[in-house]
Amino acid sequence: AQSVTQPDIHITVSEGASLELRCNYSYGATPYLFWYVQSPGQGLQLLLKYFSGDTLVQGIKGFEAEFKRSQSSFNLRKPSVHWSDAAEYFCAVGNYGGSQGNLIFGKGTKLSVKP
Amino acid sequence: KAGVTQTPRYLIKTRGQQVTLSCSPISGHRSVSWYQQTPGQGLQFLFEYFSETQRNKGNFPGRFSGRQFSNSRSEMNVSTLELGDSALYLCASSSRAGSSGNTIYFGEGSWLTVV
Repeated sequence: AQSVTQPDIHITVSEGASLELRCNYSYGATPYLFWYVQSPGQGLQLLLKYFSGDTLVQGIKGFEAEFKRSQSSFNLRKPSVHWSDAAEYFCAVGNYGGSQGNLIFGKGTKLSVKP
Repeated sequence: KAGVTQTPRYLIKTRGQQVTLSCSPISGHRSVSWYQQTPGQGLQFLFEYFSETQRNKGNFPGRFSGRQFSNSRSEMNVSTLELGDSALYLCASSSRAGSSGNTIYFGEGSWLTVV
């Protein structure tokens, strides 16, 4: 069955440090991959997406992600974290409908930023 | 252009009552999906509508229903509310049905508390 795994439930980094959030997917076909961010009490904001082509994709707010087919991974990175990046991050894989809908989400990784 | 708009943002209902949530998709988008988000279950797919037709449905009881109007606006209804229905309900819109190369945008959500 299709699934998305975010191994880290909670990560704390210092402001200015680099960040990598892990995402692994299980999907039989060519995946369409997304990262969303959710600030407390808010909806989901799209950070970036991978459909095809260059495996390193750039997103908003200085984030990037790299698609590695051999590792079934789509990790999110940022070279220098800002306090405003504290939020919950969700990785998702596009799905062809059915009872799971068009997006299968991971459980999320909550990011805390230390001053 | 305006994003996905959900109303109301917050509401409190009593067990046994029913509730209707509304979603206006991004202009030009014809696909609307609904998700339920809870701390324990994460993001769960409810249903998707495209051109007024339900395309997919998640594994929720029949108390959860939805519809889409000719202007692509969508409503979801939950009847006979239970305490466990307390959640953030998120609406998402996209220009096409499905996820194949399709970017999906989310609204801010409607917070439902059942007491």
